[in-house]
Amino acid sequence: NAGVMQNPRHLVRRRGQEARLRCSPMKGHSHVYWYRQLPEEGLKFMVYLQKENIIDESGMPKERFSAEFPKEGPSILRIQQVVRGDSAAYFCASSPGQNYGYTFGSGTRLTVV
Amino acid sequence: KQEVTQIPAALSVPEGENLVLNCSFTDSAIYNLQWFRQDPGKGLTSLLLIQSSQREQTSGRLNASLDKSSGRSTLYIAASQPGDSATYLCAVPEGSARQLTFGSGTQLTVLP
Repeated sequence: NAGVMQNPRHLVRRRGQEARLRCSPMKGHSHVYWYRQLPEEGLKFMVYLQKENIIDESGMPKERFSAEFPKEGPSILRIQQVVRGDSAAYFCASSPGQNYGYTFGSGTRLTVV
Repeated sequence: KQEVTQIPAALSVPEGENLVLNCSFTDSAIYNLQWFRQDPGKGLTSLLLIQSSQREQTSGRLNASLDKSSGRSTLYIAASQPGDSATYLCAVPEGSARQLTFGSGTQLTVLP
């Protein structure tokens, strides 16, 4: 079991470009969460998805950010028209169900220049 | 809204010492509590998961306890080693989505 796989590990984007972050959950895990860790800050919840459904996106910025978890393939976190303030580490976590604990990926470190 | 606090923020100990990290939470109606470690520039590694019905969990040199009524958990590390140096985070699930609320972490340095 390869664990939670995130790619790319590092991503550099110029202001105004789009960033796409991918997350493949652990085998058998149908619950996916995205978290953001800003420099020198703690991890903050962004969005919770199950296959083909966004369950809770209360932590997502209202504009430019979107997430999906299609029937086939990885979960995608998309950031349009990136700004310098989007520079952060983005972590994905998966779980087989609620109350089972979470497994985190290694993260994608986004740098906006 | 759940708030999670960890003290101390940083801790430096000589190799071989036993140590305790503290985590407190404001809402005692938790489902479980999870301890993680994070190495610089890396992801989170799950250490221990304690369900709300449990009092403690052990894994190797690590022992985590949970006291729901007082809103506290401790992580005990026995015979610390330089490889234990990392930031230790506790987190509790909150809300219908069970999203994790994290403490700000304890940065541990074990000196050889």
